[in-house]
Parts: sequence; C-alpha cells; structure tokens
Amino acid sequence: NAGVTQTPKFRILKIGQSMTLQCTQDMNHNYMYWYRQDPGMGLKLIYYSVGAGITDKGEVPNGYNVSRSTTEDFPLRLELAAPSQTSVYFCASSQPGGPYEQYFGPGTRLTVT
Amino acid sequence: QKEVEQDPGPLSVPEGAIVSLNCTYSNSAFQYFMWYRQYSRKGPELLMYTYSSGNKEDGRFTAQVDKSSKYISLFIRDSQPSDSATYLCAMSAQSNYQLIWGAGTKLIIKP
Repeated sequence: NAGVTQTPKFRILKIGQSMTLQCTQDMNHNYMYWYRQDPGMGLKLIYYSVGAGITDKGEVPNGYNVSRSTTEDFPLRLELAAPSQTSVYFCASSQPGGPYEQYFGPGTRLTVT
Repeated sequence: QKEVEQDPGPLSVPEGAIVSLNCTYSNSAFQYFMWYRQYSRKGPELLMYTYSSGNKEDGRFTAQVDKSSKYISLFIRDSQPSDSATYLCAMSAQSNYQLIWGAGTKLIIKP
C-alpha cells in the first residue's frame, strides 16, 4: 500500500513551458485535492475532485487544469508556466464521511525561471 | 479575517519542555479538528484528530478543543529534537469534506 504517490519530485521549467504533475492513490479514496505551499505559508487549495469525472476549483485555480478519469489518478496540468507558480505542490486524498482526514503525497518542488 | 488563525512562529524551546501550539477559528460549524505534522521537505501527516469538544491523548501528545472559545491546542510533553517540524491545524464542518487550514507553526526543539 503506497498511499499517495507524486511524480516528479523536482522540476525546473522555463517561463511559458507546460507540464503535468502526476498523482496516484491506491486507497480507493473518492476525494482528491491539489494544494500549493509557498515558503513559510500554509496550504492553498488549487483544485479538488469528489470522484471520477467530477472536478471543481479551489482557492487558487488560475493557470492550472485538472482531470479525473479514474478513481486512482488526478493529474495537475500547468499551462504557460509563470514565476508565480514556483512552489511546492502536494496531492492529497480522503474518504467520504467525517473526519475527512487527508493523506498527502511527498510533494513536487517546482521552479519556474 | 481568516477562518483559521495560527501563529507561524518559529517557536524555539529546550528539549524536555512542554510545548503548547494553538489555533483560533471563527466558524462555529466546525466539528472536526485535526493536527498535522510536516517535516522539512515532506508532505503533511495526520498526527491527531478530535471530534467536537474535549481532550484526546496519544502518548506525549494531547489535543484539546474549546468550542465555546473557538480555540484548539496541541500539547507536546517531554519534547524531543525529533519533534522539530511545522504543525498545521485543520478543521472541517460535519457536512463539508474540505479542510480549512491554519498557516502552520514552525517548532524547533533545541538539544
């Protein structure tokens, strides 16, 4: 049981490039989330999904897109990367029903230069 | 005003001290209260959760919720250098699966 896995661990992008951050969970969780965490800051929700085929915007969705074709996978797409997207990105998952505790992946550290 | 307020620290204490970490919140609908620990360059991991008011103890860790004051605390007894991490509080309402996060408090335990 690997939990939540994310790839890649690190990535450097040039301004204007695009990339996909991968996230997979093997806990059969319905809910999945993408967060970004800037240095010394808390977690900001980018997008979330309550099940395959259903996604919705979080607090900071601009510049990102997601899809959820299976229960296990929830990739995050960055289009036209900007320096403001330099951050650490975390994927998380949770089950329906309280307490809704979330399980996190190890993160992807992205630098846009 | 943020829904959840948490002092970012850093909080530096000597090894063996009792540590108190706190969050305040404004939404009276919150029923689930969680503490996550995040080591440097790692993802957050759930430490403890509490439902509604009261205390919960797990080894050296005690979580306390005071709903009347909208205030939650995490106490660490006999603190160890390995407890050095950022501690994030998170909360959710009964009917809402989304967690509302505090900014996290960076804790440093000095040997």
